[in-house]
Amino acid sequence: QVQLVESGGGVVQPGRSLRLSCAASGFSFRDYAMHWVRQAPGKGLEWVAVLWYDGSNKIYADSVKGRFTISRDNSQNTLYLQMNSLRTEDTAVYYCTKDLSGSYTIDYWGQGTLVTVSS
Amino acid sequence: QSALTQPASVSESPGQSITISCTGTSSDVGGYNYVSWYQQHPGKAPKLMISDVSKRPSGVSNRFSGSKSGNTASLTISGLQAEDEADYYCSSYTNSRTWLFGGGTKLTVL
Repeated sequence: QVQLVESGGGVVQPGRSLRLSCAASGFSFRDYAMHWVRQAPGKGLEWVAVLWYDGSNKIYADSVKGRFTISRDNSQNTLYLQMNSLRTEDTAVYYCTKDLSGSYTIDYWGQGTLVTVSS
Repeated sequence: QSALTQPASVSESPGQSITISCTGTSSDVGGYNYVSWYQQHPGKAPKLMISDVSKRPSGVSNRFSGSKSGNTASLTISGLQAEDEADYYCSSYTNSRTWLFGGGTKLTVL
């Protein structure tokens, strides 16, 4: 079955950087686009970024554009999110998610990793 | 882009039906049949309940159904059960090649 396991979250000061990882298994990782979605404490879901299956397209939400970078290593079945110039408003649970082939839909979600940006 | 508009909360008794609306624009909900719905229980990851406006993934109860008219999509849950109590989010692909979520609706089964 599909498994997505995030890691790398923690407490970081404003302005600093953090890199999240997502280990994927149970499906052919190299064949699917992957997304990051976040959820601030007690708030709703916010789409962050998508990366095409072959790395050819990266698209970001305006709120993170220029600060976050999504990438993948298809040989290691791993998705990454490099987060630079972190702000307090970036505090959230970050979910690694899989795209549903043939549809612009997110189907599977990891359990999430909490990023807290605080001085 | 602003989040899609959902009611903050709905409530109904067990066995009854409810409908949750999700309003966007012609740039998202109205422009594509890529509207999906997610269920999220407290402390858990979201779960896909409906894709492509009205398609139910394998394993999702047929008590859940989706539809769309113009810029508004809807999720209907019939025969409400206690375990349906959760937060529900809609999502749509947009003409900016991004994705938008709704603000979420808290469903209370009385």
